[in-house]
Amino acid sequence: QITLKESGPTLVKPTQTLTLTCTFSGFSLSTSGVGVGWIRQPPGKALEWLALIYWDEDKRYSTSLKSRLTITKDTSKNQVVLTMTNMDPVDTGTYYCAHRRRESGSYLNWFDPWGQGTLVTVSS
Amino acid sequence: DIQMTQSPSSLSASVGDRVTITCRASQSISNNLNWYQQKPGKAPQLLIYAASSLQSGVPSRFSGSGSGTDFTLTISSLQPEDFATYYCQQSYSTPTFGQGTKVEIK
Repeated sequence: QITLKESGPTLVKPTQTLTLTCTFSGFSLSTSGVGVGWIRQPPGKALEWLALIYWDEDKRYSTSLKSRLTITKDTSKNQVVLTMTNMDPVDTGTYYCAHRRRESGSYLNWFDPWGQGTLVTVSS
Repeated sequence: DIQMTQSPSSLSASVGDRVTITCRASQSISNNLNWYQQKPGKAPQLLIYAASSLQSGVPSRFSGSGSGTDFTLTISSLQPEDFATYYCQQSYSTPTFGQGTKVEIK
């Protein structure tokens, strides 16, 4: 059974850097085709994909947020860390990490399952 | 980036109704399209992957179709537990989500 759980501060001040950790079990981030993604959701709004890291260390970032994001992995600890710099009140929302699964022999992929999410509020 | 547009943004329906939600991609994505259900205060859950494949454990009243740029999610007979928000997501390139469709009780 695959599980993921996000952890990090619930409150950050504007201009600070947010560091979130996704701790997972039930899979290895050294297995070919596997990835972990971060997705956020402002209150009452839609999902927004942020970043992805793959088993082979390849990384992808949202075009609009690329300059502020860094994603890393620690395979031995089964953790993925997302940092977002220069936080602003508009960054308030629930941040999810999710297991990215790829169908064997194809490029088809999807997020399943997701962590429970962690609410981050940006306020002075 | 590939833009995903869902319609409608919300709908009201009754238990037993057939419900159809549409998702359109700004360019062809073949069948690289996934659907998620999200209930209030909960994380999204995968319903359909690769446009038409039903995720294990998801009731058969859910189905997906489409290819290229136009996709649909259909609930054949709406149940009380189906009132939620539904999102499409393309996985052809860096992921993007639709803006969501909220299904409410009429």
